[in-house]
Amino acid sequence: GENVEQHPSTLSVQEGDSAVIKCTYSDSASNYFPWYKQELGKRPQLIIDIRSNVGEKKDQRIAVTLNKTAKHFSLHITETQPEDSAVYFCAASIIFASYGGSQGNLIFGKGTKLSVKP
Amino acid sequence: DAGITQSPRYKITETGRQVTLMCHQTWSHSYMFWYRQDLGHGLRLIYYSAAADITDKGEVPDGYVVSRSKTENFPLTLESATRSQTSVYFCASSSKGGVLLRRKTLAKNIQYFGAGTRLSVL
Repeated sequence: GENVEQHPSTLSVQEGDSAVIKCTYSDSASNYFPWYKQELGKRPQLIIDIRSNVGEKKDQRIAVTLNKTAKHFSLHITETQPEDSAVYFCAASIIFASYGGSQGNLIFGKGTKLSVKP
Repeated sequence: DAGITQSPRYKITETGRQVTLMCHQTWSHSYMFWYRQDLGHGLRLIYYSAAADITDKGEVPDGYVVSRSKTENFPLTLESATRSQTSVYFCASSSKGGVLLRRKTLAKNIQYFGAGTRLSVL
């Protein structure tokens, strides 16, 4: 089955710097890679996702890159702000296009605790 | 997000007791999931359900039972609670299949999480 490794487990940056979190996956059939943000005491919420047919996706200060050959994907946060402090989870899954887009289960990485110091 | 609710939010119980955690969603999502979140382990899938009356095991199903008699409800039962089941439990839901847009199928696969139930087994 799929296995997702996430690094680093903790990351501390100064406000305004960039932060990068990396994940690797084992199942070459995985084609859907979401990132979830979980603030302290709150529920995980999707912040960005990428399908395997694209190499990069951006949404304002966050971007995700995917290298299918190497089976790794990364989250990039630029111009970090204190409100970016949270635990970030990557995940991998398979979307079965031939079954109307049905999705296999999400396999999560163990999370990265990001601290942005003002 | 208010469309998926979990109850109770906090629960303290003793070892050996049966505990049921409730999950209710109002979106008519086909898929529902139960995860447990523990420090150092991230989110681990316990059970999931693709539709009413269809359930299947996830990564860590031992000691848990689920049912899905109605699409909107997906209760998780600990038949005989153990200390190792002390955790934060999240329920999630997602819609089935895709939306046809300009001859392309865009899958609706985002999982929406409930607020979580913090369970302590003493």
